[in-house]
Amino acid sequence: EVQLVESGGGLVQPGRSLRLSCAASAFTFDDYAMHWVRQAPGKGLEWVSGISWNSGTIGYADSVKGRFTISRDNAKNSLYLQMNSLRAEDTALYYCVKGRDMQLREGTFVIWGQGTMVTVSS
Amino acid sequence: DIQMTQSPSSLSASVGDRVTITCRASPGIVTHLNWYQQKPGKAPKLLIYAASSLQSGVPSRFSGSGSGTDFTLTISSLQPEDLATYYCQQSHSSPWTFGQGTKVGIK
Repeated sequence: EVQLVESGGGLVQPGRSLRLSCAASAFTFDDYAMHWVRQAPGKGLEWVSGISWNSGTIGYADSVKGRFTISRDNAKNSLYLQMNSLRAEDTALYYCVKGRDMQLREGTFVIWGQGTMVTVSS
Repeated sequence: DIQMTQSPSSLSASVGDRVTITCRASPGIVTHLNWYQQKPGKAPKLLIYAASSLQSGVPSRFSGSGSGTDFTLTISSLQPEDLATYYCQQSHSSPWTFGQGTKVGIK
């Protein structure tokens, strides 16, 4: 069964950094684009960032551009999100999501992890 | 950015009822529209992609239609396990954007 397991969330002060990880299993990781999607408590879904199969194409939401960096290690079947200069409005459940094909040209979110919670507060 | 607007924001229906949720995109997105189901406390799940294609394993009572700017998700016969929030999402162009969600309750 395809599985995505996120880790790295927690409570962090405004302005500090956090790195999220996602471990993928039961599919050929480097055949697919991957994404991070977040959900603030009691709110809707917001796409955060995506990366193509070979890291050749990367995209970010305007709300995180310049602060967050997505990366992947295909040898380790892992996806990452480095989050710097965190703000209270970044508080959310962060989901690791498998795309539908290799490239970032199409944003369909096929398989979702269970999420890791990030709370930004002093 | 492409704006996605869903209606209604919530509804309550009886088991066996036909339920329809609408989603409007501005500007148009051809058929690059997906629907997701999120049950309470769970991650979202892909139901419909490319406006009308049923994702593998999804019950056939779910269907999608539409193109351009107006789309519909239909549950032909509501079941108790369909209690959830449903989101539309455009996969036409980045940044990929979602509707605000429709919460479906059971009477």
